[in-house]
Amino acid sequence: EPEVTQTPSHQVTQMGQEVILRCVPISNHLYFYWYRQILGQKVEFLVSFYNNEISEKSEIFDDQFSVERPDGSNFTLKIRSTKLEDSAMYFCASSDQGEEQYFGPGTRLTVT
Amino acid sequence: KNQVEQSPQSLIILEGKNCTLQCNYTVSPFSNLRWYKQDTGRGPVSLTIMTFSENTKSNGRYTATLDADTKQSSLHITASQLSDSASYICVVSLSYNTDKLIFGTGTRLQVFP
Repeated sequence: EPEVTQTPSHQVTQMGQEVILRCVPISNHLYFYWYRQILGQKVEFLVSFYNNEISEKSEIFDDQFSVERPDGSNFTLKIRSTKLEDSAMYFCASSDQGEEQYFGPGTRLTVT
Repeated sequence: KNQVEQSPQSLIILEGKNCTLQCNYTVSPFSNLRWYKQDTGRGPVSLTIMTFSENTKSNGRYTATLDADTKQSSLHITASQLSDSASYICVVSLSYNTDKLIFGTGTRLQVFP
């Protein structure tokens, strides 16, 4: 059964460094999403992406964040200058018609 | 403010027993309500999706109900199994922006033998 994959599973970085989180959505899906979950808290929407552009973003998704679909298969989330409070689990999701969203296993980002 | 509240926060039951989890939401205008199962350290997995016109939906041993008038939903798990141990999250989407899902804090269910 097709699934969303994410790499790496765990990323440790120093404050101020740039990180890129990678996702491979399900192949025929057209809608892509990033969410984050700070330890012990609820999942929060970051951004949705369709037709090679951002369709919606939350207040969390500030200028430090960007998303890209560089090659038609990968979907990336870049954090330009990480802060301690960026430490969280980041989930990628994809959808074929914008309804059912399929989540990846997540990348745990630890900023030290 | 658009919010999704769940209760109880955590629940312990014995294998084979039934349980019911509750969700109240203030999201408006409402499009659909979903229940997800999230194993520790994993991504959420969809169990059910209901629009405002549906008041019950089943997926195996999971049955979700929805009362759009009172803005309440429940997830009933029948004949629980050890593998049901997980967090169960109620998620609501807005009718004008179905992209942006609003998550509840979840109910942490533990099933013991």
